[in-house]
Amino acid sequence: AQSVTQLGSHVSVSEGALVLLRCNYSSSVPPYLFWYVQYPNQGLQLLLKYTSAATLVKGINGFEAEFKKSETSFHLTKPSAHMSDAAEYFCAVSPNTGGFKTIFGAGTRLFVKA
Amino acid sequence: DTAVSQTPKYLVTQMGNDKSIKCEQNLGHDTMYWYKQDSKKFLKIMFSYNNKELIINETVPNRFSPKSPDKAHLNLHINSLELGDSAVYFCASSQDEVPGNEQFFGPGTRLTVL
Repeated sequence: AQSVTQLGSHVSVSEGALVLLRCNYSSSVPPYLFWYVQYPNQGLQLLLKYTSAATLVKGINGFEAEFKKSETSFHLTKPSAHMSDAAEYFCAVSPNTGGFKTIFGAGTRLFVKA
Repeated sequence: DTAVSQTPKYLVTQMGNDKSIKCEQNLGHDTMYWYKQDSKKFLKIMFSYNNKELIINETVPNRFSPKSPDKAHLNLHINSLELGDSAVYFCASSQDEVPGNEQFFGPGTRLTVL
């Protein structure tokens, strides 16, 4: 069974600092991986996704994530945090063979301090 | 133009009542979903429909009944509401049920059962 674990339910950074949100997945074969962002009182929207084309994936708003098969990780980074990045971030995994259910991680709340 | 819309945005009701939440997408997608997000932000899939056919039915009480009159609409009816049903319910859609497709989320319906 596939699963995804987000390390840290809350992450706090200063404006301008590096953002690092951690995600590890469990899958017998490389799956599809996603990062979604949820701003307060809104639905989720896609930041980026990994579909085996390239291990370093660039997304919207300056975010990127690197797929590391050896570490079964898909951590999300942004070089310089902005106040508007404060939100809930979800890592998600979707199998690439059979079954179409996307599994979401528990989410990481990002706080950005002025 | 709203891609995935839900009504109502807020729903406050008494225990034991029956209520419905409506969802519509204008993206031309074939697959639609219902998710439940609890107070800790954990997102869990409830149902998925592909071209009006039920393809995912998670372990959800049978008080919850989805209905898809056409592939652009997926409504959720809840009978005999309980306190534990209080949550934010999200509708989502994707191009089809192929793995790796991005899901587009509605703004959510916050259900409060008193």
